[in-house]
Amino acid sequence: DAKTTQPTSMDCAEGRAANLPCNHSTISGNEYVYWYRQIHSQGPQYIIHGLKNNETNEMASLIITEDRKSSTLILPHATLRDTAVYYCIVRVDSDDYKLSFGAGTTVTVRA
Amino acid sequence: DVKVTQSSRYLVKRTGEKVFLECVQDMDHENMFWYRQDPGLGLRLIYFSYDVKMKEKGDIPEGYSVSREKKERFSLILESASTNQTSMYLCASSGAWGTDTQYFGPGTRLTVL
Repeated sequence: DAKTTQPTSMDCAEGRAANLPCNHSTISGNEYVYWYRQIHSQGPQYIIHGLKNNETNEMASLIITEDRKSSTLILPHATLRDTAVYYCIVRVDSDDYKLSFGAGTTVTVRA
Repeated sequence: DVKVTQSSRYLVKRTGEKVFLECVQDMDHENMFWYRQDPGLGLRLIYFSYDVKMKEKGDIPEGYSVSREKKERFSLILESASTNQTSMYLCASSGAWGTDTQYFGPGTRLTVL
């Protein structure tokens, strides 16, 4: 699976949009981009994933660049409960099912 | 709404005890996973199961065994708990395909004294 690079940390004001970047310059054509988050002492929570097109669900939007070398997760109206570590990963459809998280981005939403 | 539940959120056991961690999913998923998560080491796969009674070793199976007698339930067994098994244990489940989303339970923080 391709490696991803994320900023170590970022702050966001409550009520504002949070834009979380992820670089995956070595991504292959059949690799999906996934985002998870993990609130302190809880299990990881799936947020969203995509292959080529931009995606939106009730939690967030995922914008993937045309060359697929980077993506941005957008939390449209951040709340204090969005404070968490956010992980961007890329995965290929193969027999290797295991997930592997990097260090992620620690997002702190401030009132 | 998808749901993966784990039997305990916090557990304290003594060295040498046999420990059972249970995980139940209600999504009719084929695949179930046990990971452990430790600071600085990230997420590591212990075992996974792709069907009832079927299992595959992950990266760190030593000291652990698993059981999957029913599709919805996947148990992790520490045969003889040791202090280096103190960790956060995470269960996940997914559909049959490699890129199917894995959904996690809330985690069990196990302390072995």
